[in-house]
Amino acid sequence: AQSVSQHNHHVILSEAASLELGCNYSYGGTVNLFWYVQYPGQHLQLLLKYFSGDPLVKGIKGFEAEFIKSKFSFNLRKPSVQWSDTAEYFCAVNKDSGGGADGLTFGKGTHLIIQP
Amino acid sequence: KAGVTQTPRYLIKTRGQQVTLSCSPISGHRSVSWYQQTPGQGLQFLFEYFSETQRNKGNFPGRFSGRQFSNSRSEMNVSTLELGDSALYLCASSLDSLYSPLHFGNGTRLTVT
Repeated sequence: AQSVSQHNHHVILSEAASLELGCNYSYGGTVNLFWYVQYPGQHLQLLLKYFSGDPLVKGIKGFEAEFIKSKFSFNLRKPSVQWSDTAEYFCAVNKDSGGGADGLTFGKGTHLIIQP
Repeated sequence: KAGVTQTPRYLIKTRGQQVTLSCSPISGHRSVSWYQQTPGQGLQFLFEYFSETQRNKGNFPGRFSGRQFSNSRSEMNVSTLELGDSALYLCASSLDSLYSPLHFGNGTRLTVT
């Protein structure tokens, strides 16, 4: 079974600091990769996704992620964080078997706190 | 466009009872997925329905079941509730769950006593 690991459960940064959240998955085949974010009091929403093509993908609010196939990683980055980035971040993967949909496998999440 | 609506928001049930949760997807979305979120296990996939057919199923016991109606609305049922079923149950809809992003509802918080 596939699994997703997020290395940091809690991250505290100051405003304007750079951010990198790690995500590794275990599945040898073709995958689709996602980062979802949950702001306080809100529902989960998509931050960015990777299906194929350029391994560097850009999402909303200045976030980007790089897919490194050889490392089974899909790390999330932002050059300068803001207080409003305080949220829970989830990495997720699903298998692309070409034959149909597969449920998302989520990481345990990273709780990011940005201090003003 | 209205988002994904889940009802009820909160439920308190006793062990052994059964419960039905409801989800109304975004208009035009034909795929509805259900996830269980707990502090210990995180978000876990329960099942997905597409055009009234269960297309995928996660690793949950048969006590967890679901269905989808012709208008894409979905229900999830849990029978013979156990304390460990206490969780936030999230519904997500999409055009096609493989290549389309999931749009999540706010969830139903189930507490089993």
